[in-house]
Amino acid sequence: DGGITQSPKYLFRKEGQNVTLSCEQNLNHDAMYWYRQDPGQGLRLIYYSQIVNDFQKGDIAEGYSVSREKKESFPLTVTSAQKNPTAFYLCASGDTHRNTIYFGEGSWLTVV
Amino acid sequence: RKEVEQDPGPFNVPEGATVAFNCTYSNSASQSFFWYRQDCRKEPKLLMSVYSSGNEDGRFTAQLNRASQYISLLIRDSKLSDSATYLCVVNPGGSQGNLIFGKGTKLSVKP
Repeated sequence: DGGITQSPKYLFRKEGQNVTLSCEQNLNHDAMYWYRQDPGQGLRLIYYSQIVNDFQKGDIAEGYSVSREKKESFPLTVTSAQKNPTAFYLCASGDTHRNTIYFGEGSWLTVV
Repeated sequence: RKEVEQDPGPFNVPEGATVAFNCTYSNSASQSFFWYRQDCRKEPKLLMSVYSSGNEDGRFTAQLNRASQYISLLIRDSKLSDSATYLCVVNPGGSQGNLIFGKGTKLSVKP
């Protein structure tokens, strides 16, 4: 099936640890995105990448890092510098024909 | 003024009702518009694009008013399965990375 796969779906992290969220897509989309959603809040853009080996900061990039070594993959690392990492993380890829984006199922990160 | 504003609701309606949501946007140069649906603790899913001439998909109708800078979503004959949060999304131009999401309007359809 074509789509966007995020893993893990649920992740618990101790304070001070880095954690990496995986995002893979087989839609042949050039652009990929990471968003964060907090309860009752809108989506906020963390990072995005329009092409392999290039990415740009979004509105809330501090405490996060990404890489884009392959077109299909856009992993997000939540570092210990991120002060409030507990949230729902959504990866998306962009359809230039429809000029919109499609989401993976999301990853729930909880810091304990 | 917030970039994309929606009434958070909740809108509580009986099955079979017609319900309408509005969304306003601040950037008059915005180029494309969408409605997404998000179920509780799930990812947003594209419901429909919004075209200048208005468009319909089954029980759903979307309209754009550029002069007043708002878009609307009308749901006819509401079903229990329509219960969700509806997100208004605006692309002010340029790349898809510029998409601006509203916080959503929650709809609850009751039997």
